[in-house]
Amino acid sequence: DAKTTQPPSMDCAEGRAANLPCNHSTISGNEYVYWYRQIHSQGPQYIIHGLKNNETNEMASLIITEDRKSSTLILPHATLRDTAVYYCIVRVESYGQNFVFGPGTRLSVLP
Amino acid sequence: DTEVTQTPKHLVMGMTNKKSLKCEQHMGHRAMYWYKQKAKKPPELMFVYSYEKLSINESVPSRFSPECPNSSLLNLHLHALQPEDSALYLCASSQRYSGAYNEQFFGPGTRLTVL
Repeated sequence: DAKTTQPPSMDCAEGRAANLPCNHSTISGNEYVYWYRQIHSQGPQYIIHGLKNNETNEMASLIITEDRKSSTLILPHATLRDTAVYYCIVRVESYGQNFVFGPGTRLSVLP
Repeated sequence: DTEVTQTPKHLVMGMTNKKSLKCEQHMGHRAMYWYKQKAKKPPELMFVYSYEKLSINESVPSRFSPECPNSSLLNLHLHALQPEDSALYLCASSQRYSGAYNEQFFGPGTRLTVL
């Protein structure tokens, strides 16, 4: 079973920041938080991951709370092409631990 | 080359047919994966290959038979499938199966319809 909960859907206006929350209250100390997205009819795309510090790359920022029980993926200036299902996954970096995708959040970026 | 390719893009087969799905990557990744995704559902892991050896089989029926002929190729052989096996089949790869740098890169998938 997925160890995360996410809202099923969100809307965001084009050009505004999209803030996607993820709850992972049972996360253990050695579990990383990963974010992927899946645009309609395509394969999932890796976005970002982190352990405890905030992370930023060219696509997004990942903010992890100090207690690590939740995180937020931030798309700073959402475009129509960011419309997708966003998956938050927690995973231990050790052998035998697989990615378990939950239902994700369907983000709709509106013009 | 940072791409995972899958062929064919679409496949329609009867329940008595034998077909194969193909996946290829040239990123030097040593872990490769097969996922199944039903409509409006998240991907579900089927198989994991690590260094060309089958490491994980998530209780997949034997009518699905994976094969990893070399470090760049992954096949999924299909035989005697059922209509409920119709789905998007996704291939992914990562540098390694465990440890750091194992974010997975996914192919575009093969959309399979079983009649």
